[in-house]
Amino acid sequence: GAVVSQHPSWVICKSGTSVKIECRSLDFQATTMFWYRQFPKQSLMLMATSNEGSKATYEQGVEKDKFLINHASLTLSTLTVTSAHPEDSSFYICSAQGADSGANVLTFGAGSRLTVL
Amino acid sequence: AQKVTQAQTEISVVEKEDVTLDCVYETRDTTYYLFWYKQPPSGELVFLIRRNSFDEQNEISGRYSWNFQKSTSSFNFTITASQVVDSAVYFCALTGGGNTPLVFGKGTRLSVIA
Repeated sequence: GAVVSQHPSWVICKSGTSVKIECRSLDFQATTMFWYRQFPKQSLMLMATSNEGSKATYEQGVEKDKFLINHASLTLSTLTVTSAHPEDSSFYICSAQGADSGANVLTFGAGSRLTVL
Repeated sequence: AQKVTQAQTEISVVEKEDVTLDCVYETRDTTYYLFWYKQPPSGELVFLIRRNSFDEQNEISGRYSWNFQKSTSSFNFTITASQVVDSAVYFCALTGGGNTPLVFGKGTRLSVIA
C-alpha cells in the first residue's frame, strides 16, 4: 500500500533556529502534498497545499515566509520552520495524494513533533 | 465551504459497552468523501474508513460499524463491545475529491475504562 515517511519524528530546537521536516512518498508519486498543524488537544488544521514544481498555496493566517514549503520532486516535500519560536511548538503532519487522484487516496505521515525551547 | 462537526468532545465508557461517535458534515459538493481516523497518543493517524457520497450502504468491520445518512448529513461511527485499546481521539473528515485536502472535525476523545 501507499506509504508516506515523515522525518524527523521528534525535534527539539532552540528559539531562533530553523527546522526542516521531510515528507516522502515511498512507493508512489505524489503530485500534491498537504501540510497540517495540530496543537495539543486540538484538531488538524491545514497549513498549505504543496504541488510538485510550483509554489505552495498557504491557508489564511499561515505565514509563508516563516513556513517554507518546497516540493521539488514527486516524492519529496519539505517544510522548514524558520526562526522558530516557542509558539511554533506543535505536531506537524503531512499527507500525500497519488497521481491517481480519481481514487482520492490520501496517505498520512506519522507526524513530526516540534518543541521550541 | 466544507465543515465537519463532532459535537462530542469527550466520551468515557466502561469496557464492553457500545459507543457511538457522531459526525455531521456540510458541503455543497455533490461528490465528496467522508473518512474516520483514529489518533492514539503516539499521534499517528490510523485510517479507519472512507465512504463516497454515492454509497450510502452501512459498513461493518469487526467491532466497528458506520452509519452514513445523506438525508441528515451524518456519518456516525459505532464501536461495539469497546476495549481499552480503543481509547484514542477519533476524527471525522471530509473532502471534495480531486486535489483537495481533508477538512477535519474537532475530534472526539474516547476513554474506555477497564
